[in-house]
Amino acid sequence: SAVISQKPSRDICQRGTSLTIQCQVDSQVTMMFWYRQQPGQSLTLIATANQGSEATYESGFVIDKFPISRPNLTFSTLTVSNMSPEDSSIYLCSVVGAENTEAFFGQGTRLTVV
Amino acid sequence: AQKVTQAQTEISVVEKEDVTLDCVYETRDTTYYLFWYKQPPSGELVFLIRRNSFDEQNEISGRYSWNFQKSTSSFNFTITASQVVDSAVYFCALRVWNSGYALNFGKGTSLLVTP
Repeated sequence: SAVISQKPSRDICQRGTSLTIQCQVDSQVTMMFWYRQQPGQSLTLIATANQGSEATYESGFVIDKFPISRPNLTFSTLTVSNMSPEDSSIYLCSVVGAENTEAFFGQGTRLTVV
Repeated sequence: AQKVTQAQTEISVVEKEDVTLDCVYETRDTTYYLFWYKQPPSGELVFLIRRNSFDEQNEISGRYSWNFQKSTSSFNFTITASQVVDSAVYFCALRVWNSGYALNFGKGTSLLVTP
């Protein structure tokens, strides 16, 4: 299994500001994803982070609001831009394992926007 | 379109009771994977099991067991002799082979095990 480290683990931010979340994996992985989990809700896919090209966003999510970088096969960042209280959620990084079957998750970033 | 339904929002049991968490899925594809994840209060998602659509064998791992039935599109999860440490939110998820590697999650079932 892959070991995934996410930073920060939690943060409280002022509305209108931006926060960048980092995801570091202990091995090279092809597929990396970013999910959002709003309070009391299930996980929703934000985007697929593609190495060397733009991320692929799901319906309802746009690059201006959630810019993503993937400079190499072990690292990605998600920025939550111009935050509002509605962005308060847990954001999770996920990777697909070497056998392209299981998906593993970081411990999540618990974001509160005030 | 793919969909996962976990009809049980919250379940509360007393320690040592058995509990079954239901999961019903929808997909038109014949090749897919089903997953269960555990999310304790700390927030991380812990992988529990993966099943592919061609393997209907039930699986047992310690106190955990899974019942996969394609005829009813269900992939239920049973915890035998529950313990307080089993308290968590449990998610069932579906991945379709030709739709990339992202997961479609159910809404989750919150399990509370009391002493």
